[in-house]
Amino acid sequence: GAVVSQHPSRVICKSGTSVKIECRSLDFQATTMFWYRQFPKQSLMLMATSNEGSKATYEQGVEKDKFLINHASLTLSTLTVTSAHPEDSSFYICSARPGQAGNEQFFGPGTRLTVL
Amino acid sequence: QQQVKQSPQSLIVQKGGISIINCAYENTAFDYFPWYQQFPGKGPALLIAIRPDVSEKKEGRFTISFNKSAKQFSLHIMDSQPGDSATYFCAASMRQGAQKLVFGQGTRLTINP
Repeated sequence: GAVVSQHPSRVICKSGTSVKIECRSLDFQATTMFWYRQFPKQSLMLMATSNEGSKATYEQGVEKDKFLINHASLTLSTLTVTSAHPEDSSFYICSARPGQAGNEQFFGPGTRLTVL
Repeated sequence: QQQVKQSPQSLIVQKGGISIINCAYENTAFDYFPWYQQFPGKGPALLIAIRPDVSEKKEGRFTISFNKSAKQFSLHIMDSQPGDSATYFCAASMRQGAQKLVFGQGTRLTINP
């Protein structure tokens, strides 16, 4: 149980285009989902926290107009990287926390974004 | 005060040996301390987690030792195997609020056969 999927697993796009990444909790309802960014050989950096049906809360320094997050249902959150540039190339990982089950988060497999 | 400091940055252990990774924190409001294992190109997977009301938790070959007064916790991997070679992250979060995880810097563990 507690499986989180991400789609796509890998995407290559041209500079200036927008890319949407989906995060789904497959066998549980996630009231809260988190989006992380990870550069090579570095730790995970939290970008934003999203709760179903409400606006996402962004961490300091993360541009909310560039990284659009939508959490429309209890099993789906999306991250859209708008007008992507090469410096946005990174590994994007989502996690989901079941209802009131405490602190535990379940992570997706990640999405590798490469912007040419 | 939100930081979690992890050491060492990299670690090489012989097969069958004990791997030990340490973390320290400052925020006494943290009350959940998980360890994650991450293989290249994959998302992190929860290994084991502990709350501050116990000093040790063991699951198979993995043990967390927790020292509340020192604000430190560590991961011990017994009988380390080549398949354990991965990057390990400690983390911490608070019970209140968004329960965001604060991650350590990561330790790249290599188990030599």
